[in-house]
Amino acid sequence: SQELEQSPQSLIVQEGKNLTINCTSSKTLYGLYWYKQKYGEGLIFLMMLQKGGEEKSHEKITAKLDEKKQQSSLHITASQPSHAGIYLCGADAGGSTLGRLYFGRGTQLTVWP
Amino acid sequence: NAGVTQTPKFRVLKTGQSMTLLCAQDMNHEYMYWYRQDPGMGLRLIHYSVGEGTTAKGEVPDGYNVSRLKKQNFLLGLESAAPSQTSVYFCASSGSTDTQYFGPGTRLTVL
Repeated sequence: SQELEQSPQSLIVQEGKNLTINCTSSKTLYGLYWYKQKYGEGLIFLMMLQKGGEEKSHEKITAKLDEKKQQSSLHITASQPSHAGIYLCGADAGGSTLGRLYFGRGTQLTVWP
Repeated sequence: NAGVTQTPKFRVLKTGQSMTLLCAQDMNHEYMYWYRQDPGMGLRLIHYSVGEGTTAKGEVPDGYNVSRLKKQNFLLGLESAAPSQTSVYFCASSGSTDTQYFGPGTRLTVL
């Protein structure tokens, strides 16, 4: 079965600090998706990475996929309370399961003023 | 556009009762998915559909049935609810094998 390790499990940072969340697969991925979830709500799509070495940014959030396409990181610069929530990575292994995602367990981010 | 909507938002069932969760999308997406989210387990795929009239099993299909009679709707049924099915259920849709967009979720408790 596919497994996606996400770390850390939880993160508490002071407003203005930078932080990084990691997502690691034991297998080469077809695509890697990052979502954000606020408590009691659905998942909001952040970014999708597909090419080895790819990097995408949106506002203060940057996501990278390593050359081997097995590890991704999500970096938040100068965190704000609005960044708080659960961050989930979802992986598409491609092949016969193309289009199906399996998810990491999530990282709970708390940002205190 | 409403995107992906789910009804109901909350539901409490007794063991053995049945119910249907409805997912609707207005983005003309071909693919639709049902997931469950449990504490410490992440999201797990229950069933999915790659087009109207087609369904397939995901990672944890036991105890659930689905139907996709119309392209915009994907129904998830529980014939005889069990406490192990207490969870938050999410529906998602995608144009093809690309980004999935999620609904707000249904919180189900089975007593």
